[in-house]
Amino acid sequence: IAGITQAPTSQILAAGRRMTLRCTQDMRHNAMYWYRQDLGLGLRLIHYSNTAGTTGKGEVPDGYSVSRANTDDFPLTLASAVPSQTSVYFCASSPDRASYEQYFGPGTRLTVT
Amino acid sequence: QQQVKQSPQSLIVQKGGISIINCAYENTAFDYFPWYQQFPGKGPALLIAIRPDVSEKKEGRFTISFNKSAKQFSLHIMDSQPGDSATYFCAASEEAAGNKLTFGGGTRVLVKP
Repeated sequence: IAGITQAPTSQILAAGRRMTLRCTQDMRHNAMYWYRQDLGLGLRLIHYSNTAGTTGKGEVPDGYSVSRANTDDFPLTLASAVPSQTSVYFCASSPDRASYEQYFGPGTRLTVT
Repeated sequence: QQQVKQSPQSLIVQKGGISIINCAYENTAFDYFPWYQQFPGKGPALLIAIRPDVSEKKEGRFTISFNKSAKQFSLHIMDSQPGDSATYFCAASEEAAGNKLTFGGGTRVLVKP
């Protein structure tokens, strides 16, 4: 089934630990995005990639890094997790940066203790 | 400061009633205004969208009303059904800025049978 997969589904992480959230899409979309969802704040863009090999910073990039080695994968890394990074993380994709519709994955629930 | 403000945060409506969610934006360069629907445990999915050159768009029981001069837009769910119970997010994007979505804070809608 075409779409976006994210792993893990949920994770409890000790503060200070490093964590990589995985995102893979099989729609051959060029643009990919990472959002965090917090109650009352909606979804906020962390990082994005318009095409393989390029990345950009979103609204809340501090404490996060991304890479885009190929079209399908867009991992998000927390180098040293802090409790304020407790959130639900969504990966999304769109055919290209000119496309308006974004397709979202099922999310990763992360708790940093 | 949120560029897209959404209200109310939550809404309870009886089956068959009308659900109304309002959003206001600041950036006059925004040129695309989508609404996303999210069910518990799932990622958001595009529901309906509008461009600022029209004042209303209807798709089935869902209608977007757009007021460019007031910088406001709203979602109306007619004949609300229990299956419409979800969280709804308004969003806005600007083509010149790469169509990155800015989301409102979300509205949790509960339709009582």
